[in-house]
Order: sequence, then structure tokens, then C-alpha cells
Amino acid sequence: EAGVAQSPRYKIIEKRQSVAFWCNPISGHATLYWYQQILGQGPKLLIQFQNNGVVDDSQLPKDRFSAERLKGVDSTLKIQPAKLEDSAVYLCASSLVRATGELFFGEGSRLTVL
Amino acid sequence: AQTVTQSQPEMSVQEAETVTLSCTYDTSESDYYLFWYKQPPSRQMILVIRQEAYKQQNATENRFSVNFQKAAKSFSLKISDSQLGDAAMYFCAYYGAGSYQLTFGKGTKLSVIP
Repeated sequence: EAGVAQSPRYKIIEKRQSVAFWCNPISGHATLYWYQQILGQGPKLLIQFQNNGVVDDSQLPKDRFSAERLKGVDSTLKIQPAKLEDSAVYLCASSLVRATGELFFGEGSRLTVL
Repeated sequence: AQTVTQSQPEMSVQEAETVTLSCTYDTSESDYYLFWYKQPPSRQMILVIRQEAYKQQNATENRFSVNFQKAAKSFSLKISDSQLGDAAMYFCAYYGAGSYQLTFGKGTKLSVIP
């Protein structure tokens, strides 16, 4: 069974530029999550989708971050314009059964903002 | 809001020895799950072990076991017969069955000494 796919694995941009990350969850997983992991810290939830609807985006900085999940499968997370403090690893995860909290993670996308 | 605290930023263990990683959490929910995730330098989060709060019996997965003390809100991970491949960041995580949020601690970096 294929795991959660993410791309790109690495991205370096200048501040005020834009960047987009892509995630393809495990087939059949209805719930998809984006987490931000700053160096030396645990992951922090940015947004959670159930199928193609947003169920929690309370910690998403909506002035610069946006995310969508078209057709309830792939998802894209966008940052525009990027700030230095956005340098982090962006982890995508999916789960089959939302009630049990067992998440499967991708390898993450490391963003460096200069 | 739920919080997860890992009070040991770094730990080390001799190969073949046993080590215990500590975790405490705070919640007002009655139905929840607890997890330990391992994150090697490759960045991919790997589920190590899970515990359902309604189960009194401590979970065990091969060399990994937990000590779940519900009243004390404590959830420690014991790694027996430590191997070089166990070296990684370990994150304790809480999942509320009502909130549907997975909250991570800050992590413990485990080094295994040959």
C-alpha cells in the first residue's frame, strides 16, 4: 500500500515570495491534516479536512496561508507571502478512521525562507 | 485545550539497555487516545505504540511498552533491549475522540550509545 506522498521535499525561497506544497494521502483516507513543525518543536496542526470540507483551521494564519482539498483526495498548502518564521517542515498526514486518531504521515516538505 | 508535556529534551541509553521516556498530559475529555511517535532524521513520523484511555491494560509492541497512569495523566514509554536504530526524536501525542485533534509534545531526543 502506498504511503502519504508529499512534494517537494525541499524548498528555499526569499521572504515575501510564495510557495505551494502538495500532498496525496493514502487511498481511501477521508481525513487529511497539515502540520507545521518548527525545528526543535513538536508538530502543530494547521488545518484538518474531512473529505473536501474543512473541519478545523483555527491555527492556520489565514492572512498568508491557504489550503484546499479538491475532490476529497489531493491537497495543496500555499503560503503567500512567506515570512522568515515560516521556515519549518510541513507534514501532511491522513487517517482512515477519524475517531481513533491513528495518523499516517508523509516525509514532509522542508521550507527555508531567506 | 489539551496540553502534552515531555520534560526530558534529551536522553541517552547504552545499546541493549532499557530506557524510559516520560510524558504527562492535561485534558478534561473522558474518551481519548495516547500515542508515541518516532521521528528519525529522515523526518517521517512513525507510530510506535498507541493506548486507548478506556483500557486499563498497558499496551505492548515487541520491545516497546507503556506505563499508562490515567489518574495521574501520565504516559511513559519503555524501550527494552535498545538498538542503534532506536535513535530518534520521540513524540508523545494526545488525541481527543471528541475534539478530533492530535496534539504533540515537544519531543525527546534519544541517543543510543554503542
